[in-house]
Amino acid sequence: GESVGLHLPTLSVQEGDNSIINCAYSNSASDYFIWYKQESGKGPQFIIDIRSNMDKRQGQRVTVLLNKTVKHLSLQIAATQPGDSAVYFCAENKADKLIFGTGTRLQVFP
Amino acid sequence: EAQVTQNPRYLITVTGKKLTVTCSQNMNHEYMSWYRQDPGLGLRQIYYSMNVEVTDKGDVPEGYKVSRKEKRNFPLILESPSPNQTSLYFCASSLSGVGSYGYTFGSGTRLTVV
Repeated sequence: GESVGLHLPTLSVQEGDNSIINCAYSNSASDYFIWYKQESGKGPQFIIDIRSNMDKRQGQRVTVLLNKTVKHLSLQIAATQPGDSAVYFCAENKADKLIFGTGTRLQVFP
Repeated sequence: EAQVTQNPRYLITVTGKKLTVTCSQNMNHEYMSWYRQDPGLGLRQIYYSMNVEVTDKGDVPEGYKVSRKEKRNFPLILESPSPNQTSLYFCASSLSGVGSYGYTFGSGTRLTVV
């Protein structure tokens, strides 16, 4: 999940396994959510988005689930690969701007 | 290639010496924004612009200025940098606000103020 501490929460998975990264958002009025991937030395890169009138959206190897009841968002990555190693951020829209979580570091080991 | 270009990528400067970080996008996006990224604090918005000549403060605007004279450019100005502005800065753009569109980010500018 998200963290406000100095260290990012880390998820370590074995190559080939599925990864699930979680995020709790704060604004019940948010109607748009996005997941970003940030590799070392690069800017955040758009992965997938979902609107609040949806519960699930699938992309290529990624699925985002939205549970509005408990204000929870998750990103599932199927068959995790070494290239998936990065920091993942969720973001919610609030007053026409994006508010980002502090991120989760995904480590993939062989 | 559609992209957001920031310059410079790395900058070391001294306290009080004015500097400008440039940002340019080639996607005809109306919305542009500056974020700073610090360990444990995630991405925090400094300033944003909904369109040419329209700029607004984000969550951490103190010590920064911006301008939007042209649609494609959105420079970040530090009139008198201080060490607490040492950070990783990202420029981002979007077709039109947040709405149904995410942001496209630049590659970042790592600024060190000594």
